[in-house]
Amino acid sequence: DAGVIQSPRHEVTEMGQEVTLRCKLISGHNSLFWYRQTMMRGLELLIYFNNNVPIDDSGMPEDRFSAKMPNASFSTLKIQPSEPRDSAVYFCASSQTGLSGNTIYFGEGSWLTVV
Amino acid sequence: QKEVEQNSGPLSVPEGAIASLNCTYSDRGSQSFFWYRQYSGKSPELIMSIYSNGDKEDGRFTAQLNKASQYVSLLIRDSQPSDSATYLCAVDSNDMRFGAGTRLTVKP
Repeated sequence: DAGVIQSPRHEVTEMGQEVTLRCKLISGHNSLFWYRQTMMRGLELLIYFNNNVPIDDSGMPEDRFSAKMPNASFSTLKIQPSEPRDSAVYFCASSQTGLSGNTIYFGEGSWLTVV
Repeated sequence: QKEVEQNSGPLSVPEGAIASLNCTYSDRGSQSFFWYRQYSGKSPELIMSIYSNGDKEDGRFTAQLNKASQYVSLLIRDSQPSDSATYLCAVDSNDMRFGAGTRLTVKP
């Protein structure tokens, strides 16, 4: 079975540009998580969805960040406009039937550099 | 604010020794606990999950949970150089939050 699929794997962009990261969930999973990982802050939960509905977006840094889940298997995380401090690895993860007691599986990450 | 705290390390042990990794959490309502391993440049991968107080063993790995003390640990017996990685503690309390990770180095 295919795991969580993220794209792009690597992106270098200039400050002020729009960045869109994409994620495809594992088939049958109904919860999706977006995390950001940096050396300074570790792995931060940005937002998670359950059954396509955003449950908690308190980790989203600011209005420049937005996430959508247009269907049950796909999500996007958009940064507009991007800033150098957004440089990080962005992980998408999915799980089945809600959160409690269920393992989450990570994609390989999108490595973002904003110059 | 829900907190998950880990000693950042680095932790260095000789090959064959026991590595002990610790984690505390702030939300008493947390029900599920996980240990993930992350190699440099890779994504986190699940090692173990634990839901009840006590010990849970899986091969060379033992997870320990004490909900009263809000403490979870991971022991790695007979440590191998291939165990060198960052170990992340994750706590599920209606969201899934991670500690900062402990970097483990096993020296041959």
